[in-house]
Amino acid sequence: EVQLVESGGGLVKPGGSLRLSCAASGFTFSTYSMNWVRQAPGKGLQWVSFISSSTAYISYADSVKGRFTISRDNAKNSVFLQMNSLRAEDTGVYYCARGRGTYDHWGQGTLVIVSS
Amino acid sequence: NFMLTQPHSVSESPGKTVTISCTRSSGSIASSYVQWYQQRPGSAPTTVIYDDDHRPSGVPHRFSGSINSSSNSASLTISGLRTEDEADYYCQSSDSSNAGVFGAGTKVTVL
Repeated sequence: EVQLVESGGGLVKPGGSLRLSCAASGFTFSTYSMNWVRQAPGKGLQWVSFISSSTAYISYADSVKGRFTISRDNAKNSVFLQMNSLRAEDTGVYYCARGRGTYDHWGQGTLVIVSS
Repeated sequence: NFMLTQPHSVSESPGKTVTISCTRSSGSIASSYVQWYQQRPGSAPTTVIYDDDHRPSGVPHRFSGSINSSSNSASLTISGLRTEDEADYYCQSSDSSNAGVFGAGTKVTVL
């Protein structure tokens, strides 16, 4: 069974940093692209970042470019999102999602709150 | 980049059929696959349609997807509506740099 488990969320002050992790199991992680998708409270889904299976291709939403960094460790079946210079508008639930183009499996999400 | 526009909400009685549209603002709807996700309150999204018109295993045949090049749109149709179908539904596609694009979501209410 495919499982994606996010962690690392929490309360952080504006300008602060957080590192989110997503632990994958139940499939050959190293052969799949991964994404981070977020959802602000009461709002819709917003794609944040993509990383290909070999890390050759990485992309970011304009709203996070230069502040967030996606990475992965295929030996540890994990994908990460380093979030710096956090803003109030970064508040929301962050999901990791498997796939390129289509997101066939999602984690349950981790909540990030940016507030003073 | 392009945008995907969905109606804010649709409602219908149990047993009836609803169709949700998803219109692409620029570029051809056929240039990249469209997916549909269901999200119930407090839960993560799940895929109900992928690659325009494919149903993942476990998704009822009541859910179907299509694209229409004339209107440059995709559609999700739910037939035989059930109370358990009450949820938010999002269409999604991607651009050439693997950036995901989501519609704003459609709230389906079963009257």
